[in-house]
Amino acid sequence: DQQVKQNSPSLSVQEGRISILNCDYTNSMFDYFLWYKKYPAEGPTFLISISSIKDKNEDGRFTVFLNKSAKHLSLHIVPSQPGDSAVYFCAASARTYKYIFGTGTRLKVLA
Amino acid sequence: EAGVAQSPRYKIIEKRQSVAFWCNPISGHATLYWYQQILGQGPKLLIQFQNNGVVDDSQLPKDRFSAERLKGVDSTLKIQPAKLEDSAVYLCASSLTRGEQFFGPGTRLTVL
Repeated sequence: DQQVKQNSPSLSVQEGRISILNCDYTNSMFDYFLWYKKYPAEGPTFLISISSIKDKNEDGRFTVFLNKSAKHLSLHIVPSQPGDSAVYFCAASARTYKYIFGTGTRLKVLA
Repeated sequence: EAGVAQSPRYKIIEKRQSVAFWCNPISGHATLYWYQQILGQGPKLLIQFQNNGVVDDSQLPKDRFSAERLKGVDSTLKIQPAKLEDSAVYLCASSLTRGEQFFGPGTRLTVL
């Protein structure tokens, strides 16, 4: 049972444009969400988080939106840069330290 | 601040052999996690420690996998005997709070 889903395995975007990565979840008990970026041969690195009491969190070029009624969150990267090319994972937690990760979306930013 | 250290970075073994991975978390991080990431999938939690106690090992295949956290700091994950389907990247992470987890570079295991 995949509680956290990233339905787009890959995404290509032109440099300078907006990248939108999507994540859906099924467990209504999830109350904290994280986004990670992963380069090849490296461990995931934390990007941004959001609590279920918010619907938006912003950090520089990265913004995460949470739609609780739709059980959907999205990560916006504006403007996209070639260095943003990586695999992006969303992860969700239900009031614990345990996170369920999605399968990832590979973003390619074209110069 | 030093990050999460893992060794070895790569390991190739024959099926039915045993293997061990080591992790040194960020100093002061009470919570330590071991994840298994199979190609094309997201990280799957195997075991979570709080100091040297196990908080969650519900997805650890206990017939072949074992883990310990020595004195609430370093941790080792062992597989004995290994199966072909254990080929994956094994990631160690640590955290201070419920939020951000800091990941090590991982150990890529290939079982032949």
